[in-house]
Amino acid sequence: AQSVTQLGSHVSVSEGALVLLRCNYSSSVPPYLFWYVQYPNQGLQLLLKYTTGATLVKGINGFEAEFKKSETSFHLTKPSAHMSDAAEYFCAVSDQAGTALIFGKGTTLSVSS
Amino acid sequence: GAVVSQHPSRVICKSGTSVKIECRSLDFQATTMFWYRQFPKQSLMLMATSNEGSKATYEQGVEKDKFLINHASLTLSTLTVTSAHPEDSSFYICSATTGKGETQYFGPGTRLLVL
Repeated sequence: AQSVTQLGSHVSVSEGALVLLRCNYSSSVPPYLFWYVQYPNQGLQLLLKYTTGATLVKGINGFEAEFKKSETSFHLTKPSAHMSDAAEYFCAVSDQAGTALIFGKGTTLSVSS
Repeated sequence: GAVVSQHPSRVICKSGTSVKIECRSLDFQATTMFWYRQFPKQSLMLMATSNEGSKATYEQGVEKDKFLINHASLTLSTLTVTSAHPEDSSFYICSATTGKGETQYFGPGTRLLVL
C-alpha cells in the first residue's frame, strides 16, 4: 500500500527565506508524485508533479521539487518565501495515471515579515 | 484550462434532510471523478471513485447508501448526502482527471453544515 509522510505539520519562515517542505513516500511501483497548495476554504491547486523523466520538477510560483528514489523523497522548495505563500501544502502519491491520490497530512506554511 | 466547479460552495441543512453536491468539469471531459472529504485541519480522505456510466467504487468504511454518487455524463458527477446528520458536516471536494489522467484537477470544495 502506498503512503505519504509529511514531516512537520507546521513550518514557519521569514519573508525572503528558503522554504523547505518535506515529503517521503512509500510505493511498491514507480510513483506519480504531486504537491498541491490549499488556501483557506478553497480547493487544491496543483503546484507541480513528477511522473517520469527529469527528477527536478519546476512548478508554479517559483516552487520546485526533486524526486529522489534512493531516499523515497519528494521535498518541495522555494528559494525565497513570499507572504502570499502562506497556505496549507499537501504531498500526494498515486501508483498510476487516473487513480486516486493518497495524501499526506499536510504542512501549514507561515511566512512572517 | 482544466477547470472544475462545485455547487453549492456552502450549504446548511437540517438533520435528516438530503443534500446534493454537483461537480462539473467545465472545459474538458472527465473520464474519472473522485470525491474526497476533509475534516478541519486534516488531510483529504478519498470517499469514492466515479466513472462515467458505471457505479461508483467506494472506499472501505464509506456507506454507499448514504453517500450516493451519480456520474451521468463526462462533465458531471453528483454526490448526495442522504439523511444528513451533524457528523456529516465537513468539506467535500471533488476532482477530475483529463487526458492521460496523470493529474487531478480539484474543485473549490463544498462546505456542508448539518444542524
